Amino acid sequence: DAGVTQSPTHLIKTRGQQVTLRCSPKSGHDTVSWYQQALGQGPQFIFQYYEEEERQRGNFPDRFSGHQFPNYSSELNVNALLLGDSALYLCASSPATGINEKLFFGSGTQLSVL
Amino acid sequence: GESVGLHLPTLSVQEGDNSIINCAYSNSASDYFIWYKQESGKGPQFIIDIRSNMDKRQGQRVTVLLNKTVKHLSLQIAATQPGDSAVYFCAEATGGYQKVTFGTGTKLQVIP
Repeated sequence: DAGVTQSPTHLIKTRGQQVTLRCSPKSGHDTVSWYQQALGQGPQFIFQYYEEEERQRGNFPDRFSGHQFPNYSSELNVNALLLGDSALYLCASSPATGINEKLFFGSGTQLSVL
Repeated sequence: GESVGLHLPTLSVQEGDNSIINCAYSNSASDYFIWYKQESGKGPQFIIDIRSNMDKRQGQRVTVLLNKTVKHLSLQIAATQPGDSAVYFCAEATGGYQKVTFGTGTKLQVIP
């Protein structure tokens, strides 16, 4: 059983560019959340997708957007990249049933903005 | 706003000893707390959780204690092993949604 998979594992972009990160949830999970983890910090919640809609959002600007597909996979898009967007981007999946189900995280995409 | 913090950024423990990692939280409305372990190059891994209606919960070699009066959470690891070396995060959540607020983490170093 594959867990949460993310691609690519590493990415280098320059300021002003746009980036798309991808996530496939764990089998049986239909909810996907995205987190940003700066070096030496805890992950920060970006947003969560369920039934192809954004259900909840953290304190991130509109440059950060996402999408969920009918097969529950998800994309995170970041426009007009800034140096401060350099971070590890984590995807987490969980089943929608129940409350506060345990999150399963992928290994992340390391984004470097030069 | 919500925040979860830790007292010690780095903890060094002798192999075989017990480890205690502490965490303070500020959101009194939080009703679900989780400890995650993150190894280098990997995403956070669930260790143990506890709901606000409980004070203590035990797993395999790990125990989580919750003191709602002082908004304090702790993770106890029994007989610490080299494989326990990692960064540990406490986290909190509120209500039925799954937004999880993480602290800044404690690095646990196990000395062989």
